[in-house]
Amino acid sequence: GQNIDQPTEMTATEGAIVQINCTYQTSGFNGLFWYQQHAGEAPTFLSYNVLDGLEEKGRFSSFLSRSKGYSYLLLKELQMKDSASYLCAVRDDSNYQLIWGAGTKLIIKP
Amino acid sequence: GAVVSQHPSRVICKSGTSVKIECRSLDFQATTMFWYRQFPKKSLMLMATSNEGSKATYEQGVEKDKFLINHASLTLSTLTVTSAHPEDSSFYICSAEEWGGSTGELFFGEGSRLTVL
Repeated sequence: GQNIDQPTEMTATEGAIVQINCTYQTSGFNGLFWYQQHAGEAPTFLSYNVLDGLEEKGRFSSFLSRSKGYSYLLLKELQMKDSASYLCAVRDDSNYQLIWGAGTKLIIKP
Repeated sequence: GAVVSQHPSRVICKSGTSVKIECRSLDFQATTMFWYRQFPKKSLMLMATSNEGSKATYEQGVEKDKFLINHASLTLSTLTVTSAHPEDSSFYICSAEEWGGSTGELFFGEGSRLTVL
């Protein structure tokens, strides 16, 4: 079956680093996405990984290991505005649809 | 980046009426648009995939006659909630995939919050 797991909630301190993990089991794979969603708003794109390795984009980095079915989103120098839900999604190459994780609510404390 | 506009952002209606939500890709052509529903503190639930010029593909459990989707052009898809009831109250979000895009990134509309009284 199709399954994406990520922690429900995480708490971190302003200025620190946090890593949000995502594991997936899908029948096909054609890329993994990370989206940020603030309460009451639509998701916004953060990153896309299709090959193994680390993709860095400013304070955010995303890592993928296809053999392990594993990804993480790394957020550095945390700011209060980073408090949001972070959604992991995998594109299934059999039907080209995105399979969404339930999201990780990240709480940033001063 | 590509922009998707969704309208209205908020709508309140009486039970039994129908509500139409529009999703437009403003600066790109979207052959495929997706409609999601999101409950409070929950992840996105894909309702249907809308392809320009053809019938939408609905996910299991989503009533086709209840949620009418039309994708008449490469830049516009509409979701009509027919005979709305309070349990249809939710946050509806559309997204579009740019035709020929390199990453398959989805661009999301702002979302529409529907409240049925």
